[in-house]
Amino acid sequence: AQSVTQPDIHITVSEGASLELRCNYSYGATPYLFWYVQSPGQGLQLLLKYFSGDTLVQGIKGFEAEFKRSQSSFNLRKPSVHWSDAAEYFCAVAHARSTGNQFYFGTGTSLTVIP
Amino acid sequence: EPEVTQTPSHQVTQMGQEVILRCVPISNHLYFYWYRQILGQKVEFLVSFYNNEISEKSEIFDDQFSVERPDGSNFTLKIRSTKLEDSAMYFCASSAPGLAAYEQYFGPGTRLTVT
Repeated sequence: AQSVTQPDIHITVSEGASLELRCNYSYGATPYLFWYVQSPGQGLQLLLKYFSGDTLVQGIKGFEAEFKRSQSSFNLRKPSVHWSDAAEYFCAVAHARSTGNQFYFGTGTSLTVIP
Repeated sequence: EPEVTQTPSHQVTQMGQEVILRCVPISNHLYFYWYRQILGQKVEFLVSFYNNEISEKSEIFDDQFSVERPDGSNFTLKIRSTKLEDSAMYFCASSAPGLAAYEQYFGPGTRLTVT
């Protein structure tokens, strides 16, 4: 069965420090992987996605993620965190269907940024 | 940039009442979805809709739930007789045809509070 695990419930980093949010997936075929960000009271905004090709993908707001098939991971990184990055981050895997794709989300990682 | 919109942003209802949550997907999208997020928990898939019919639904989506695309622009989720445990944030999403179907655009959500 498809599933996504985000081992870190909450992470606190200092502004300007680097960030890595972990995501592990379980999926039988080649996964389509996503990272979404949710600011308080807001919807889900797509940060980046991996479909195929280069395993290092660039997203918006300076984020990147690396797909590692051998580790079943798709970790999100940012070299220098800004206070505005404080939010909830969700990793998701898409289960492909010809009639639409069901997303499986992780439980999320809450990011706090301290000055 | 086109976006998915949802109304209302917050709905308060009494247990046993019917509620209809409304969504306007992006205009050229063909796949539509509802997800929910109980406070503090992960985002969960409810249902996908394509070609005017449900294409997939989760075990959460029981007979109390229904979806409809009444007029070619709106996409609604109806809960026939709300329960306390239906209190959650409900997200609508849509995606375009082809490979872009894997990229789902989410609305800002409707917070449903059942008292």
